[in-house]
Amino acid sequence: GAGVSQTPSNKVTEKGKYVELRCDPISGHTALYWYRQSLGQGPEFLIYFQGTGAADDSGLPNDRFFAVRPEGSVSTLKIQRTERGDSAVYLCASSFKGGGNNEQFFGPGTRLTVL
Amino acid sequence: AQSVTQPDIHITVSEGASLELRCNYSYGATPYLFWYVQSPGQGLQLLLKYFSGDTLVQGIKGFEAEFKRSQSSFNLRKPSVHWSDAAEYFCAVGGSGGYNKLIFGAGTRLAVHP
Repeated sequence: GAGVSQTPSNKVTEKGKYVELRCDPISGHTALYWYRQSLGQGPEFLIYFQGTGAADDSGLPNDRFFAVRPEGSVSTLKIQRTERGDSAVYLCASSFKGGGNNEQFFGPGTRLTVL
Repeated sequence: AQSVTQPDIHITVSEGASLELRCNYSYGATPYLFWYVQSPGQGLQLLLKYFSGDTLVQGIKGFEAEFKRSQSSFNLRKPSVHWSDAAEYFCAVGGSGGYNKLIFGAGTRLAVHP
């Protein structure tokens, strides 16, 4: 497939547990974004990677959230000590480059439910 | 502060009728503007974008949008709606800088009556 893929598609966990969400961007795309979409809301920016480095993590809500992209391709969003308020759809997007005129292609998202 | 407002949470139109979805933005610099569509179980799909130049932009699926700087608006239009257009529509604004951190509106859910 040529699109952005995200796994798992659904994740149910208990409060206090640790979760990892994975994003496979389009091959060759150097820019990768994570967004979070709560019910009835538009997506909210979490973090932006250019290559392997997190160029902007200003959207991460607190230090329980962390993301990595060690080889400049696949990215993992990590959430420690999950809370019920973390329940949302987590979206990943990639673009060929980071510039503002580069279209972001979105994956289908991971629906996280914290019980 | 940068923000996007979509005043209409839900809109219902009859198939074949015209459609206009409203979007207002607040952005300090020259904005890049986008409309995305999200169908159930699908990812966000880009309908159209405005960067510069002609303020009337054409997109996919017969959609168009008009950038009006004086009104800080970027409304989405379609002359004749099809039942398959039922979905959620998001307006977004991004920067012309080094990367494109998108700020989304809350979305407008479109229902189409046969």
